[in-house]
Amino acid sequence: DTEVTHTPKHLVMGMTNKKSLKCEQHMGHRAMYWYKQKAKKPPELMFVYSYEKLSINESVPSRFSPECPNSSLLNLHLHALQPEDSALYLCASSHLLADEQFFGPGTRLTVL
Amino acid sequence: ELKVEQNPLFLSMQEGKNYTIYCNYSTTSDRLYWYRQDPGKSLESLFVLLSNGAVKQEGRLMASLDTKARLSTLHITAAVHDLSATYFCAGYNSGGGADGLTFGKGTHLIIQP
Repeated sequence: DTEVTHTPKHLVMGMTNKKSLKCEQHMGHRAMYWYKQKAKKPPELMFVYSYEKLSINESVPSRFSPECPNSSLLNLHLHALQPEDSALYLCASSHLLADEQFFGPGTRLTVL
Repeated sequence: ELKVEQNPLFLSMQEGKNYTIYCNYSTTSDRLYWYRQDPGKSLESLFVLLSNGAVKQEGRLMASLDTKARLSTLHITAAVHDLSATYFCAGYNSGGGADGLTFGKGTHLIIQP
């Protein structure tokens, strides 16, 4: 299995909702990442897990909360989001940090 | 902090022509990545360049890396319509905050018949 999968593919939520995005890979990769991509912009790194240890991009608001239950699974918990958080959220994985990253199709999030 | 600059940001070219996309980066980076993104789709890894002088080719695309000049190029030979996409270069940012890719703004490439 050489894929990174996302659940759900699309999500619409209100500003008071709590939701979670899920990412899964079964390539045995030990590094997993969340990126945010706005339309016509490059992806921006949000969080990195390496061997299930978290590194944070300091500019990410606390309304985004990552979780790595095991080496194959990565969650992104969302609460009290703002309309400007609407974007494509991409998960990627790599064998180790700095190795080639493989991206999933992403979850397209709309915050109303 | 690593900064990555691509140019041009937009390129319209005819089929059969050759062109080069340039990627400059601001600090030492041992490796440089090229990705392709089609509209509404995710990113597809094209090349990983690991050392100075590295050159990789796949079909009509060839990428190279000059770490002394902090420059990578993506050369397109005899372009075909199927190569229309947005191309991103990225460097690996480590040693401050989250270790991950820092992307250039992307080159939106349109290849016309």
